[in-house]
Amino acid sequence: DAKTTQPTSMDCAEGRAANLPCNHSTISGNEYVYWYRQIHSQGPQYIIHGLKNNETNEMASLIITEDRKSSTLILPHATLRDTAVYYCIVRVNQAAGNKLTFGGGTRVLVKP
Amino acid sequence: EAEVAQSPRYKITEKSQAVAFWCDPISGHATLYWYRQILGQGPELLVQFQDESVVDDSQLPKDRFSAERLKGVDSTLKIQPAELGDSAMYLCASSLAQSRTQYFGPGTRLTVL
Repeated sequence: DAKTTQPTSMDCAEGRAANLPCNHSTISGNEYVYWYRQIHSQGPQYIIHGLKNNETNEMASLIITEDRKSSTLILPHATLRDTAVYYCIVRVNQAAGNKLTFGGGTRVLVKP
Repeated sequence: EAEVAQSPRYKITEKSQAVAFWCDPISGHATLYWYRQILGQGPELLVQFQDESVVDDSQLPKDRFSAERLKGVDSTLKIQPAELGDSAMYLCASSLAQSRTQYFGPGTRLTVL
């Protein structure tokens, strides 16, 4: 799986949009970008994933650059409950080699 | 919303003792994963099942760890004997198939004294 690079930490204001960047410059054509988050002492929570098109769901939006070498997770209106470690992961969606390889993630602190 | 269930949520044991963790995946999910997360790090895969068969246990310390999923539904992860370095969060995840999104349970936090 391709390695991802994320900022170690970032703060954002409650009610504002939070933009979380991720670099994955060695991503392969068949690898998807996944985002999970982990609130303190809980299991990772799936947020969103995409291949090359931008994606949106009830939790967040995922913007993938045209060359697919980077992406941004957008939390449109951050709340205090969004404080968590956010992991950007690339993986193939096929039977073999599909394990999730977690890096260090970005520790996001939402402040009032 | 269906969730992955794990028990116990917390376990404290002494080194050299045996411990076991249980996981019940989301109904209908054929693929089950066990991850270990050491404090301050991301989760790392220990073992992956497709139905009742192991498809990846390359990172499982087989001298002390074992995992089974006898009927292809729930699963048990065992450590015998436990060592101090085994203190960690043990996470179970499941997916409809190997190529699909993984959903995690709440984890079991193990402390070995």
